Amino acid sequence: GQNIDQPTEMTATEGAIVQINCTYQTSGFNGLFWYQQHAGEAPTFLSYNVLDGLEEKGRFSSFLSRSKGYSYLLLKELQMKDSASYLCAVRAFSGGYQKVTFGTGTKLQVIP
Amino acid sequence: ETGVTQTPRHLVMGMTNKKSLKCEQHLGHNAMYWYKQSAKKPLELMFVYSLEERVENNSVPSRFSPECPNSSHLFLHLHTLQPEDSALYLCASSGQGGTEAFFGQGTRLTVV
Repeated sequence: GQNIDQPTEMTATEGAIVQINCTYQTSGFNGLFWYQQHAGEAPTFLSYNVLDGLEEKGRFSSFLSRSKGYSYLLLKELQMKDSASYLCAVRAFSGGYQKVTFGTGTKLQVIP
Repeated sequence: ETGVTQTPRHLVMGMTNKKSLKCEQHLGHNAMYWYKQSAKKPLELMFVYSLEERVENNSVPSRFSPECPNSSHLFLHLHTLQPEDSALYLCASSGQGGTEAFFGQGTRLTVV
């Protein structure tokens, strides 16, 4: 099976930088995703890592260390609209197909 | 708009009713998923269809019955549900070779 851990809640100030961590344990690892989900809405894709290192996309960056089973999502120049839940999801081969399992999500509150 | 459409967006049903949720994608994806999202819980994978074949059923009660008539459509048939089944039901699809999952907007289900 898969075990994914991320903090339940975080608070950060508008304009600041925040790092949301995710640790996982799985076999057959084949990629890690970060999704953003605003309350009452569907998750939207933010980033994908399959190799070690940092992927940068505008204000958002995501890092992966496969050997450590660790990833983080870095949000820079925080805006009020960034208040949302951030979901870490791990894809792994299981039973001949690829399965994506989500963590519980980190609820980020951006304050003025 | 993610390319994955779910209907209805909201549904209120009694415990003796029978209803169906519909999901449609025209992204050329060959895997489709049903997820359940309850308050303060992680996204729970319910069913996975790969190439129209059900490949996973995560111990979901038989009062939930999925159907995948073709690679573009996925249904979730509901009957004799319980109040604790009230949740946001999300459909997602993904392609082969490592693409991210795209989510529909979800159906907010309330069982009374």
